[in-house]
Amino acid sequence: DAGVTQSPTHLIKTRGQQVTLRCSPKSGHDTVSWYQQALGQGPQFIFQYYEEEERQRGNFPDRFSGHQFPNYSSELNVNALLLGDSALYLCASSHRQVNTEAFFGQGTRLTVV
Amino acid sequence: AQSVTQLGSHVSVSEGALVLLRCNYSSSVPPYLFWYVQYPNQGLQLLLKYTSAATLVKGINGFEAEFKKSETSFHLTKPSAHMSDAAEYFCAVSYGGATNKLIFGTGTLLAVQP
Repeated sequence: DAGVTQSPTHLIKTRGQQVTLRCSPKSGHDTVSWYQQALGQGPQFIFQYYEEEERQRGNFPDRFSGHQFPNYSSELNVNALLLGDSALYLCASSHRQVNTEAFFGQGTRLTVV
Repeated sequence: AQSVTQLGSHVSVSEGALVLLRCNYSSSVPPYLFWYVQYPNQGLQLLLKYTSAATLVKGINGFEAEFKKSETSFHLTKPSAHMSDAAEYFCAVSYGGATNKLIFGTGTLLAVQP
């Protein structure tokens, strides 16, 4: 079992650019959540996808958007990058019907310069 | 607003000493409670969870936590610290189901001195 996998592990972008982060959930999981973890802070919930729809959303602007594919994998897109978007982005998967806890990936470290 | 408070952003213990990391939540609604550990440049690993069963929960690596509804607390303990326990620890809650969004505390960085 490969667990939750995220790609890329690191990337550097320039202000104003757009970025796409990817996540493959743990085998058997159908729900994907995304979190932003700024340096020295706890993770903050961005949104959650289930059955290819956004089910819950945290307090993040519309520049943050996502998608879930039929194979349950997910993408996080951030437009018009700001310096403040620099953070570790964590993907977590779970199984809604079984009510399992979230399993986290290793994260993608995004640096905006 | 629902929140999680972790008292002590930095805790230092000697190897072999008791580890106590504090977590309080603010809600009258019974939550699901979790402790996660994060090693440098890595994701979060679940240590243990409370989901309305036994109030004393045992987790991995010798950690345990006790849910105290009257105190709205879920403190994490380990009888004897090991050097490998040095990491950041996060307490988190969710409401309405273990798969719902997690609300995290700000974390406690545990240092273990030889």
